[in-house]
Amino acid sequence: AQSVTQLDSHVSVSEGTPVLLRCNYSSSYSPSLFWYVQHPNKGLQLLLKYTSAATLVKGINGFEAEFKKSETSFHLTKPSAHMSDAAEYFCVVSDEFGGFKTIFGAGTRLFVKA
Amino acid sequence: GAGVSQTPSNKVTEKGKYVELRCDPISGHTALYWYRQSLGQGPEFLIYFQGTGAADDSGLPNDRFFAVRPEGSVSTLKIQRTERGDSAVYLCASSLWAGSTDTQYFGPGTRLTVL
Repeated sequence: AQSVTQLDSHVSVSEGTPVLLRCNYSSSYSPSLFWYVQHPNKGLQLLLKYTSAATLVKGINGFEAEFKKSETSFHLTKPSAHMSDAAEYFCVVSDEFGGFKTIFGAGTRLFVKA
Repeated sequence: GAGVSQTPSNKVTEKGKYVELRCDPISGHTALYWYRQSLGQGPEFLIYFQGTGAADDSGLPNDRFFAVRPEGSVSTLKIQRTERGDSAVYLCASSLWAGSTDTQYFGPGTRLTVL
């Protein structure tokens, strides 16, 4: 069965410094992996997705993530944090073996200090 | 174009009552998903439809929960004999197809409070 572990429940960075949000997954098959962002009182928005093409995936707002099969990781990064990046981030896994069911991690709340 | 819409945005009910939550997917999307998000948690999968049929309902917590999508578009999540533990935000998402690579587009959610 698939599972997702987001290693940090909270991450705090200063504006202009790099962001790293960590995600490890478990999948019995070739997984698809996603990062979604949820701003307060707003719906979930897709940041980026990995679907077995290039292992380095670029998303919106300067975010990117690298799929590392050997480490079963899909960490989200951004070179320079902006105040508007403060939100909840979810790592998500899906695979055909799991019947296309999508499994969300518990989320990482990102705080950005001025 | 219009995104996924959910009604009502908020629902307050009393323990033991019946509630219906509605989801209008993006036009042309064949797959529709329901999730439940409790405070401080990630969304938890409940059920998904491919067309009119429930392809996977393994996430429904018990037989008080039921969902339908009779014409392959709008879906209704039905909860009987509500309990305080059912309080959560119920999210709906749709995608073009039910594939592991397909992007799901989420609605704003319905916040259910059971008193």
